[in-house]
Amino acid sequence: GEDVEQSLFLSVREGDSSVINCTYTDSSSTYLYWYKQEPGAGLQLLTYIFSNMDMKQDQRLTVLLNKKDKHLSLRIADTQTGDSAIYFCRSSASKIIFGSGTRLSIRP
Amino acid sequence: DAGVTQSPTHLIKTRGQQVTLRCSPKSGHDTVSWYQQALGQGPQFIFQYYEEEERQRGNFPDRFSGHQFPNYSSELNVNALLLGDSALYLCASSQTKGMARTNTIYFGEGSWLTVV
Repeated sequence: GEDVEQSLFLSVREGDSSVINCTYTDSSSTYLYWYKQEPGAGLQLLTYIFSNMDMKQDQRLTVLLNKKDKHLSLRIADTQTGDSAIYFCRSSASKIIFGSGTRLSIRP
Repeated sequence: DAGVTQSPTHLIKTRGQQVTLRCSPKSGHDTVSWYQQALGQGPQFIFQYYEEEERQRGNFPDRFSGHQFPNYSSELNVNALLLGDSALYLCASSQTKGMARTNTIYFGEGSWLTVV
């Protein structure tokens, strides 16, 4: 069935770049999304990419899409302590599927 | 422009009881989806409402039911609560009809349900 997979944890040093990866199975996804969830809060839409694009940049965020490999990544440049959160990718498949989330922690 | 709002933010119920959670979608949105997020997990899709009807459903038992009102707001009802129903319940809205149609969904802050 449809599935989205992410690694569970990522630890980076403050100021470095973070790269969060996601693989999905549904090739019919028109859009792919990244959400951020801070502790005790709902999901905040960060950015999304249309499936016919390879890359989208939005300030410190860069989304890369490899449609052939069904691989999506989110790069956060100059990672700050405020970026500590769980990041979820989502496909726009008919059944709305989220990954399990990647917990990003920042070390000084 | 109000975003997605949910109530209550926190509540505690006893096993076997029933609970109703409420959601108002983002202004201009006509579709509401509900998710259950257990601690340490990603959101799990419960169901989606559009035009006051349940349009899609995830793998949840019939104890989970919902309703959408003419003003697009929605309720999630859970009957015969189990300890395992303790979770963050998230409501999300999107626009299905018209020129503003989008698959982008926006989430509320959620309702924390604890079943004891």
